Amino acid sequence: AQSVTQLDSQVPVFEEAPVELRCNYSSSVSVYLFWYVQYPNQGLQLLLKYLSGSTLVKGINGFEAEFNKSQTSFHLRKPSVHISDTAEYFCAVSESHAGNMLTFGGGTRLMVKP
Amino acid sequence: KAGVTQTPRYLIKTRGQQVTLSCSPISGHRSVSWYQQTPGQGLQFLFEYFSETQRNKGNFPGRFSGRQFSNSRSEMNVSTLELGDSALYLCASRGQGTGELFFGEGSRLTVL
Repeated sequence: AQSVTQLDSQVPVFEEAPVELRCNYSSSVSVYLFWYVQYPNQGLQLLLKYLSGSTLVKGINGFEAEFNKSQTSFHLRKPSVHISDTAEYFCAVSESHAGNMLTFGGGTRLMVKP
Repeated sequence: KAGVTQTPRYLIKTRGQQVTLSCSPISGHRSVSWYQQTPGQGLQFLFEYFSETQRNKGNFPGRFSGRQFSNSRSEMNVSTLELGDSALYLCASRGQGTGELFFGEGSRLTVL
């Protein structure tokens, strides 16, 4: 069975500061990793994904994440956040790159302050 | 290209009633999955359909069911509603060969 832990439920940060949202996973098989963002009253939007290859993955809106197999982590980072980045961020894993069965973490609410 | 469309967006039901939610995937997408989102349990996988066949099912009671039609549109049904079924129900579709799920805006169900 897989599980995903997002270590911080809320992360307050000032505008233009860097941010890191942490994600750790556990699985007995190889996994594929995703970060999604959810704005208020909206569905989920894919930020980035790791399927294979380079462990540093770049996504939309200036976000990037690094896959660390030894630490079973997939932390999300952005060097300079904007007010518009305020949202809920979800880390997810799947045993299949083409499957729909994702296991999500509990989410991290990023609050960007002016 | 239109996104994933879910209807209705909001609905209120009472305990014991049943509800049907609808999802129209992105044109050309044949794979549809459903998720339940609640403050307490977070995002949980309900089921996945491909070409009218259920491929995977999450750990939900039999009161939760779904189906997919030949045009890839999907419905999910919850019978004998309980207060704990209050949630945002999200539908997602996926094109062939891609790992990305495209989510709709969800149907927010309130059970009173």
